[in-house]
Amino acid sequence: GAGVSQSPRYKVAKRGQDVALRCDPISGHVSLFWYQQALGQGPEFLTYFQNEAQLDKSGLPSDRFFAERPEGSVSTLKIQRTQQEDSAVYLCASSLQGWADTQYFGPGTRLTVL
Amino acid sequence: DAKTTQPPSMDCAEGRAANLPCNHSTISGNEYVYWYRQIHSQGPQYIIHGLKNNETNEMASLIITEDRKSSTLILPHATLRDTAVYYCIVNPAGANSKLTFGKGITLSVRP
Repeated sequence: GAGVSQSPRYKVAKRGQDVALRCDPISGHVSLFWYQQALGQGPEFLTYFQNEAQLDKSGLPSDRFFAERPEGSVSTLKIQRTQQEDSAVYLCASSLQGWADTQYFGPGTRLTVL
Repeated sequence: DAKTTQPPSMDCAEGRAANLPCNHSTISGNEYVYWYRQIHSQGPQYIIHGLKNNETNEMASLIITEDRKSSTLILPHATLRDTAVYYCIVNPAGANSKLTFGKGITLSVRP
């Protein structure tokens, strides 16, 4: 079956631009996670949704980062006024229930801020 | 901060067993050991997890020491496609906690 999909796969933005990254989780998965992966590092947690509720946003690095999942399925990660340090791969994962379940990851969106 | 320590890299010959070590000396009683791997330009992939008993699935085996302070992921017959970064993660099951990946260990399988 279909896995987690993310779009776009690659995004180049000029510093100061706003970007929106989309995640389509596996159908029926209740939980959705966003992670940020800098070059040469492991992924780092950004935020977590259970259905449409954002239960944990402790990893969002600044108020320029905003995530939503209004209908409990597709999620969008928005970054306002992008900075060079925002350049990274943004990974989305979903799981059937909560934290205890296996997380299935998408291929990621590689964001490059010039 | 990651609760696990892994060497930065290792290699093994194709067809041989790859034994990937992980130290988690501060693991709590309710925390599981998870292993994920990340092949270049892909998202992480779940491999296996365990609490205290050894576990085996179609991908790998997980050996956890009796004191649970360390574990070993075993790929019984490594192939070139197993070249990846392998992450050992300690995570409470059933609790709302994020995956803390650390830097992982880069496994290179040579022909």
